[in-house]
Amino acid sequence: GDSVTQMEGPVTLSEEAFLTINCTYTATGYPSLFWYVQYPGEGLQLLLKATKADDKGSNKGFEATYRKETTSFHLEKGSVQVSDSAVYFCALSTGANSKLTFGKGITLSVRP
Amino acid sequence: NAGVMQNPRHLVRRRGQEARLRCSPMKGHSHVYWYRQLPEEGLKFMVYLQKENIIDESGMPKERFSAEFPKEGPSILRIQQVVRGDSAAYFCASSPVGGPVAGELFFGEGSRLTVL
Repeated sequence: GDSVTQMEGPVTLSEEAFLTINCTYTATGYPSLFWYVQYPGEGLQLLLKATKADDKGSNKGFEATYRKETTSFHLEKGSVQVSDSAVYFCALSTGANSKLTFGKGITLSVRP
Repeated sequence: NAGVMQNPRHLVRRRGQEARLRCSPMKGHSHVYWYRQLPEEGLKFMVYLQKENIIDESGMPKERFSAEFPKEGPSILRIQQVVRGDSAAYFCASSPVGGPVAGELFFGEGSRLTVL
């Protein structure tokens, strides 16, 4: 079945540091790939997405590229801010019902 | 616009009691998904509903769990005779008429169930 694997957390960085959060997947067919973010006390919200190989999703300074050859969708940001502190979930979707398969999520804390 | 509204935000039940979790989708949305997040795990799909229809319940436990999305009112996730293993965060998500656009769902803040 479909699955998503995220790197173990939590991750703590200083402000303006470079961020990479690894995500790899296993899926039948050709999935769409997503990063969702959950800020403290809020619901999950879509951060970025990519629907086919080599697509790059980007939003709020975050980027991720759909790598079919390595089945990866790593999240990167060049300079994190304190306000980026949140839980980040990698997810994929296949099929007409758009069910999402999530990774375990990783908590990012950014220190001033 | 109001987002996806879930209530209660926190619910405490004793073993054997019933838990009812409610979800009102975003305005204009007619598709509802329920996900469960157990401690230290990612969100797991439970059920997908449209108004008055269950479309996909492949993630629902076979016993004690049920879901509905009536013509009027919120979607309800019902757990009968709760056990400690049901303690989790339950998230509802919705998408517009016509289905999700490239899989994007809009999530509520979740309902956290604690079973004593």
